[in-house]
Amino acid sequence: QKEVEQDPGPLSVPEGAIVSLNCTYSNSAFQYFMWYRQYSRKGPELLMYTYSSGNKEDGRFTAQVDKSSKYISLFIRDSQPSDSATYLCAMSASHAGKSTFGDGTTLTVKP
Amino acid sequence: DTGVSQNPRHKITKRGQNVTFRCDPISEHNRLYWYRQTLGQGPEFLTYFQNEAQLEKSRLLSDRFSAERPKGSFSTLEIQRTEQGDSAMYLCASSKEGYNTIYFGEGSWLTVV
Repeated sequence: QKEVEQDPGPLSVPEGAIVSLNCTYSNSAFQYFMWYRQYSRKGPELLMYTYSSGNKEDGRFTAQVDKSSKYISLFIRDSQPSDSATYLCAMSASHAGKSTFGDGTTLTVKP
Repeated sequence: DTGVSQNPRHKITKRGQNVTFRCDPISEHNRLYWYRQTLGQGPEFLTYFQNEAQLEKSRLLSDRFSAERPKGSFSTLEIQRTEQGDSAMYLCASSKEGYNTIYFGEGSWLTVV
């Protein structure tokens, strides 16, 4: 069983919809939680960075971490076709060093 | 800020050959990471440098893989005696100590035939 599990999708939504992306994990040592966006054949781009439990909002994006349930979420409001990409969750136990990634959820936002 | 630069972007090699990838991090970034990603999978950690010191190395990194960062600037990842299972995208990333953001390069695609 992988340390980080992520529903691969694919997920297809109409423009303007609210998107919910989720990951679960098994390693209690994870303290830092990240969401990346990756376009086809490109490197991942950091979207959100959260330490420990709680919510963090940045524009149309909201990240939630529930350490008691070992569950993290990314919400995208007013989704746009340009949001179409693969979204990767990642986690680490320390501020620097190794991050463990999920396998990504592919999102398509249809105009 | 020119971003993380990786070369070559694409490499096709025959099984058994050695290949080397180079990564130039963002200037002043003292942390450098290597990951490997195959289609449909998330990036898999290989190794991590802080300045010239290799502080962490995945158990998945076999003896055929070696990474260096001799002067704490650019880094190289060498794969010896390549196998078909080494076909993947090799990603380099860098960050600055004290900052949370990690910047990935565009990746180097390796195909072993």
